[in-house]
Amino acid sequence: EVQLVESGGGVVRPGGSLRLSCAASGFTFDDYGMSWVRQAPGKGLEWVSGINWNGSRTGYGDSVKGRFTISRDNARNSLYLQMNSLRAEDTAFYYCARVMGGWGQGTLVTVS
Amino acid sequence: DIQMTQSPSFVSASVGDSVTITCRASQDISWWLAWYQQKPGRAPKLLIYAATSLQSGVPSRFSGSGSGTDFTLTISSLQPEDFATYYCQQTSSFPNNFGRGTKLEMK
Repeated sequence: EVQLVESGGGVVRPGGSLRLSCAASGFTFDDYGMSWVRQAPGKGLEWVSGINWNGSRTGYGDSVKGRFTISRDNARNSLYLQMNSLRAEDTAFYYCARVMGGWGQGTLVTVS
Repeated sequence: DIQMTQSPSFVSASVGDSVTITCRASQDISWWLAWYQQKPGRAPKLLIYAATSLQSGVPSRFSGSGSGTDFTLTISSLQPEDFATYYCQQTSSFPNNFGRGTKLEMK
């Protein structure tokens, strides 16, 4: 069974930084591209960032480009999101998602 | 960037009805489209990938069609557990943008 467990969320001041982690299990991690998707309370889904199977290709949404960095460690079956220069509008639940299905339960980031 | 226009934003229907949701891409994405279902307080669930392929475990009353720029999700014979919010997402190129969502409410 695909399991994705996010961690690292919390409350941070504007301008601060956080690093989210996602621990993957139940599948061969380095067979899949991965992404981060966020959802502000009561709002729709927003794609934040994606990475291919070996980390050689990454992409970012316009609202986070230049501030967030996605990475992965296939040896540790882990996905990361380094978030810098955080703004109030970055407040959201952040989900780790596997290409072709499988989502974590999300971790809440509050910038205030 | 490829923009996804989803409609309608809201739809009201009854158990047993059939419902169709549409999604239009701002440029050709071939079959690179996914549909998700999300219930309040839960993570999204993949229903359809590659525009028409049903994810394992998803009931056959869900179906997807389309290619290029125009896509549809059809739910036939609505069940009580189908009332939720549905999103399309293009997976052709980064950024893999989502549509704004369609909330399916019980009439």
